[in-house]
Amino acid sequence: EVHLLESGGKVGQPGGSLKLSCAASGFTFSDYVMTWVRQAPGKGLEWVSSISNNGDRTYYEPSVKGRFTISRDNSNNTLYLQINSLRADDAAIYYCAKDFGSGNFVLVWDNWGQGVLVTVSS
Amino acid sequence: DIVLTQSPATLSLSPGEKATLSCRASQSVGNFLAWYQQRPGQAPRLLVYDTSHRAVGIPARFSGSGSGTDFTLTISSLEPEDFAVYYCQQRRSWPPVTFGQGTKLEIK
Repeated sequence: EVHLLESGGKVGQPGGSLKLSCAASGFTFSDYVMTWVRQAPGKGLEWVSSISNNGDRTYYEPSVKGRFTISRDNSNNTLYLQINSLRADDAAIYYCAKDFGSGNFVLVWDNWGQGVLVTVSS
Repeated sequence: DIVLTQSPATLSLSPGEKATLSCRASQSVGNFLAWYQQRPGQAPRLLVYDTSHRAVGIPARFSGSGSGTDFTLTISSLEPEDFAVYYCQQRRSWPPVTFGQGTKLEIK
């Protein structure tokens, strides 16, 4: 059974940094594109970033490009999201999600973690 | 960026009734449209991908249709657990991948 478990959420200060992790199990992690999707309180879903199965290609939503870095450690089955220059509008639940199909970017997500909350407050 | 507009924003129906949810794209997304369900306090759940293909374990009462810019998710006979928020999502032109703003399906 696929399991995705996010961690690292906290209260961050504007301009600060934090790093989210997503521990994956139940599938061959290195075969799949992985993605972060976020949801601001009471709002809809927003795609944040995706990374290829071997980590050589990354893509970002324009408002986070240059501030967020997605990465992965296939030897430890873990996905990461480094968030720098934290802004108030970054406050959200961050979900990691597994691509539906293996290999190339499918960008349909059949398994999601339970999400981790990032709060921004001074 | 492709904008997805969902309608209605809120749909009030009773169990047993049929639900029809709409998603309109600002430009063609071909058939690269998916639907997700999100219950309160839970992560999204994939229902339908590529317009009309049900995901594994999704009941047959859920069906998707459409092409190009106009898409529909139909729930043939509502069960109590179907009352939730539904999102459409396109992957035809990215980045960015985009979602609709959601339709809340509530009990009448």
